[in-house]
Amino acid sequence: DAGITQSPRHKVTETGTPVTLRCHQTENHRYMYWYRQDPGHGLRLIHYSYGVKDTDKGEVSDGYSVSRSKTEDFLLTLESATSSQTSVYFCATSPRQGIASSGNTIYFGEGSWLTVV
Amino acid sequence: TQLLEQSPQFLSIQEGENLTVYCNSSSVFSSLQWYRQEPGEGPVLLVTVVTGGEVKKLKRLTFQFGDARKDSSLHITAAQPGDTGLYLCAGGFTGNNNDMRFGAGTRLTVKP
Repeated sequence: DAGITQSPRHKVTETGTPVTLRCHQTENHRYMYWYRQDPGHGLRLIHYSYGVKDTDKGEVSDGYSVSRSKTEDFLLTLESATSSQTSVYFCATSPRQGIASSGNTIYFGEGSWLTVV
Repeated sequence: TQLLEQSPQFLSIQEGENLTVYCNSSSVFSSLQWYRQEPGEGPVLLVTVVTGGEVKKLKRLTFQFGDARKDSSLHITAAQPGDTGLYLCAGGFTGNNNDMRFGAGTRLTVKP
C-alpha cells in the first residue's frame, strides 16, 4: 500500500467557512488526485496534479481549489463551504498517468468525511 | 446520468453462492479497472483490463472486458463473507489519461 495520509479524517464546519483538506504521500508518486464520493454518483474527480505546482481541473472543480508546493503534499481548499460539499473526500496517487497505461495502479487514502451544516 | 452504469446496485447472498455484477456504458474505454472498497476505507485496485474480450482471473474472481470495450463483468465463485464490500468499476478514455470515470458501485453482502 502507498503511504497516503489524509487529514483531518472527520470535520464538521459551518456554511461559508473555508476548509482545507491535506493529503501527504510517502511514495514519491508524481500524480495526485482529489475525488469526492457521494451515494449514487460514485467517485468524481475534483482536481489533479501532475507535478509540483502543476494542477488541472477535474469533472467537479467548481468551488474547490488545490495547491501542490511539494511532491508529497496536495491540499484541497473549499473557499466558502456549502451544504452541497458535504461528502467523503479521497486523495489518490499514482506513479503514471490515469489508467490508460496498463499496469498503472492508483492508490487511495482512507478518506476525509466532511459535513457542512 | 452515470457514464458507467453498474448493476445490481445492491446484492445480498449466502456464503457459497456464485454472483455476477456488471458495468455498462455507451462509451468506448481504453481500459477498465475494478476496485473493492470496504467501509471506512479507500478503494483498492483489483484488476485492470485493456483488450476487448480480455478475461482475467484473481483467485475466485473472474473479470471480463467486453469485445467492444463498452462493458465489463465481475464473476465471483463460491462467495465468502470476506468478499463483502462495494465493487467499483472505472473506465479510462483514449487520448485523455487523466479522465477516468467511476461507476456508482455494487454493494455486495455475503452472509455466513
